[in-house]
Amino acid sequence: ETGVTQTPRHLVMGMTNKKSLKCEQHLGHNAMYWYKQSAKKPLELMFVYNFKEQTENNSVPSRFSPECPNSSHLFLHLHTLQPEDSALYLCASSQVQKNSGNTIYFGEGSWLTVV
Amino acid sequence: GENVEQHPSTLSVQEGDSAVIKCTYSDSASNYFPWYKQELGKRPQLIIDIRSNVGEKKDQRIAVTLNKTAKHFSLHITETQPEDSAVYFCAALLLGEMIYNQGGKLIFGQGTELSVKP
Repeated sequence: ETGVTQTPRHLVMGMTNKKSLKCEQHLGHNAMYWYKQSAKKPLELMFVYNFKEQTENNSVPSRFSPECPNSSHLFLHLHTLQPEDSALYLCASSQVQKNSGNTIYFGEGSWLTVV
Repeated sequence: GENVEQHPSTLSVQEGDSAVIKCTYSDSASNYFPWYKQELGKRPQLIIDIRSNVGEKKDQRIAVTLNKTAKHFSLHITETQPEDSAVYFCAALLLGEMIYNQGGKLIFGQGTELSVKP
């Protein structure tokens, strides 16, 4: 248990469905992230939130919509996804400090299958 | 932006042998380099990291070396054990004023699947 919890752990959705992934961190960190992990691909940074403000959107399609209502919670809203969006979605958090290490703690991930 | 290349993609060693995984990065301003281990079906977890003001760091059987001039860093695992079998990811990050205001943009390499045979 690293203090970052994700729900659901597994999700199967149709291409016309709307669903959301939820992430909560109990570490008092000031930054939260969504990463995508596909088979045979590196961990891809999708979104970065720093102090609840989105500071990075790595050219992610609009069918993925993040929401960060406070520094402890992060959502990823999904709608009209494609089969190629099937992947493991990892939430992470960190305490970003000037000129200091930025250890990122990952959640267990949400396995998403789009059918 | 930063780009991180990692080699090899797969590595198989005999128990007790050493394993070396190498990464190169493109942004010479990057100054923080962590390594993550991801066991099958589990989350990536930090195993060791190094700052650019240090050339080498060691933690028991694991060590990381950094060559700033060549922009590459390596993970060394000695006396490998079957439980070392996992996927290892290197990453690079630029710390400092700019990133502090923008969040920690950690960029990962492609991963190395290490298999330690008993």
